[in-house]
Amino acid sequence: QQPVQSPQAVILREGEDAVINCSSSKALYSVHWYRQKHGEAPVFLMILLKGGEQKGHEKISASFNEKKQQSSLYLTASQLSYSGTYFCGLTQGGSEKLVFGKGTKLTVNP
Amino acid sequence: GAVVSQHPSWVICKSGTSVKIECRSLDFQATTMFWYRQFPKQSLMLMATSNEGSKATYEQGVEKDKFLINHASLTLSTLTVTSAHPEDSSFYICSASLRSIYNSPLHFGNGTRLTVT
Repeated sequence: QQPVQSPQAVILREGEDAVINCSSSKALYSVHWYRQKHGEAPVFLMILLKGGEQKGHEKISASFNEKKQQSSLYLTASQLSYSGTYFCGLTQGGSEKLVFGKGTKLTVNP
Repeated sequence: GAVVSQHPSWVICKSGTSVKIECRSLDFQATTMFWYRQFPKQSLMLMATSNEGSKATYEQGVEKDKFLINHASLTLSTLTVTSAHPEDSSFYICSASLRSIYNSPLHFGNGTRLTVT
């Protein structure tokens, strides 16, 4: 089942922060986050596993709330290079496949 | 490490012809590869899971006879779009993982943009 991402799109000025949410109605095992720029393949950002962990990658971090079956991606002090479409992908029990949400288009302006 | 190469990058073909897309894992062995399709401004939709030495597992709604997948070796999977029609025009991306995708990232090829005229 496809995860639900919100918002669908967000426009920021350089230096501003953003939060992208990803939720599922089914129990989650792990959450992947990827960024895709126009015409290119998605690039891996991070994976979060069951256990409510948080992770960080420079100024991009994420959390995984197993009970709420949701994950959030936090982008702080955004840079122009952060522009792109962010996808969360979920793995669910018993299934060796990754199902992606519809994506959140992030635009960072100078 | 973990480089996935996809070929061709783009292809234009006439309606009714077949097109083959290759996906190779260059520096690792991929028991499983995943084929996704992406329409403009839309999400990555999983088409099928390709397993080395066995039949591919197709997602609901994906025609097996139209999208032929062959995973002949641990480093090569191919997707053949048979009797292509304009509605098959899309961005096709393959991916593979070093280990279980539960805790290991997907590494994507650069994708193939198919245009059927």
